[in-house]
Amino acid sequence: QKEVEQNSGPLSVPEGAIASLNCTYSDRGSQSFFWYRQYSGKSPELIMSIYSNGDKEDGRFTAQLNKASQYVSLLIRDSQPSDSATYLCAGKSGGSYIPTFGRGTSLIVHP
Amino acid sequence: EPEVTQTPSHQVTQMGQEVILRCVPISNHLYFYWYRQILGQKVEFLVSFYNNEISEKSEIFDDQFSVERPDGSNFTLKIRSTKLEDSAMYFCASSAGSLIDEQFFGPGTRLTVL
Repeated sequence: QKEVEQNSGPLSVPEGAIASLNCTYSDRGSQSFFWYRQYSGKSPELIMSIYSNGDKEDGRFTAQLNKASQYVSLLIRDSQPSDSATYLCAGKSGGSYIPTFGRGTSLIVHP
Repeated sequence: EPEVTQTPSHQVTQMGQEVILRCVPISNHLYFYWYRQILGQKVEFLVSFYNNEISEKSEIFDDQFSVERPDGSNFTLKIRSTKLEDSAMYFCASSAGSLIDEQFFGPGTRLTVL
C-alpha cells in the first residue's frame, strides 16, 4: 500500500515568515513528487514538481527532496495571507501515471 | 494559458439516477484522469484513460462507473445508478504523457446525491 503522509495541521505562521510543509512517503519506488495548493471548495492547483534529490526553487517556493529519508518538503518564503490554503503532497512511482495524494496540510498565514 | 474545463459545476441528482460529468482536457494532452474528493477527505484516484481505453483504475471504479471520449475533445464520467456515498467533488485532470508529467486539474463538479 503506497502511502503519503502529511500532518493535517493547521500550521499557523505570521505574514512574512517562512512556512515549512512536510511530507513522507512509504514507497521507495516513488520517483516524482508534486505539491498542489487547494483553496477550500476549489480544485488542486499545481505549485511545483521535483524529481531529483536536493532543492528546487521557483519564486517564493522551494521544494526539497530526500529519497534516502523518503521525505519531501515545501518552503514558502515571505508568506502572505493569500497563501492560506491546504497543501497537498503527491508522489508517483516509476511505471505508473497515478500519483498518490496525502491528506494535505492546512496553512494559515495571519497578518 | 490552456486549462482543463468541467461541466456542470454542480449537479444535484436523486439516488438511483444516472449522471454524466463532462470534461475538456488540455488540447495537446494525451492522458486523462478522474479523481474524487469527499468533503474533508483526500483526493482519490478513480481512473486514467489513454489512447481511447482505460489504462489504470482503482477499486472505487466499479461497474457503476464508466468513462468515454465521445469525440476529439470531451472526456466523460458516467455513474449509472448513483448512491448517497457518491456525493463528492469530481475532478478531471490531464497530463502531456510521460510518466513524470505533471497533472493539471479542472475546477471540479460538485455532485450531490439526495
